[in-house]
Amino acid sequence: QKEVEQNSGPLSVPEGAIASLNCTYSDRVSQSFFWYRQYSGKSPELIMSIYSNGDKEDGRFTAQLNKASQYVSLLIRDSQPSDSATYLCAVRPSGNTGKLIFGQGTTLQVKP
Amino acid sequence: DTGVSQDPRHKITKRGQNVTFRCDPISEHNRLYWYRQTLGQGPEFLTYFQNEAQLEKSRLLSDRFSAERPKGSFSTLEIQRTEQGDSAMYLCASSSLGVGYGYTFGSGTRLTVV
Repeated sequence: QKEVEQNSGPLSVPEGAIASLNCTYSDRVSQSFFWYRQYSGKSPELIMSIYSNGDKEDGRFTAQLNKASQYVSLLIRDSQPSDSATYLCAVRPSGNTGKLIFGQGTTLQVKP
Repeated sequence: DTGVSQDPRHKITKRGQNVTFRCDPISEHNRLYWYRQTLGQGPEFLTYFQNEAQLEKSRLLSDRFSAERPKGSFSTLEIQRTEQGDSAMYLCASSSLGVGYGYTFGSGTRLTVV
């Protein structure tokens, strides 16, 4: 079992729709969770972080965390073609570490 | 501060040669990380430093790979006797201390071994 799993996609949504990206992780006591966006040929950029169960909203983005189910998701409302990218889920495992473990990413395509 | 800088942006080398990459982190950040990314995959952890101390190194990292961060400032990643399988994007990132901090990535160094 991979430590952080994502469906590679592609996930295709029409412009204006809600895109839902999902991630599961294996370390039950993981500490913090991050979503990164990566455009083709570019390096990842941080979108959101979440540490506590529940929802966290930032503009059009909402991160959701359910530690009991070991599940974290990212919702993108009013999706735009410029949101087309690969979305990487990253998890900071338990213990005194700065390391993040990344999933393989989900490719999102927003069609005009 | 202009963010995390990596040099060179691209490197083409012949198999068996040694290569060295440099990373300059955001100056206020104590932690510096090296990752490797291949097409269609997420970044794979290689190693990280807190100030000048190398705190963790991936078990997958062969002894051909070595990293340094003298004086807790910039870092170098050296690959000795390169192999075709080393071809990848090498990403450097930095962060502040604390479990809640995410990374800021540099633009990466793309290595091609021919």
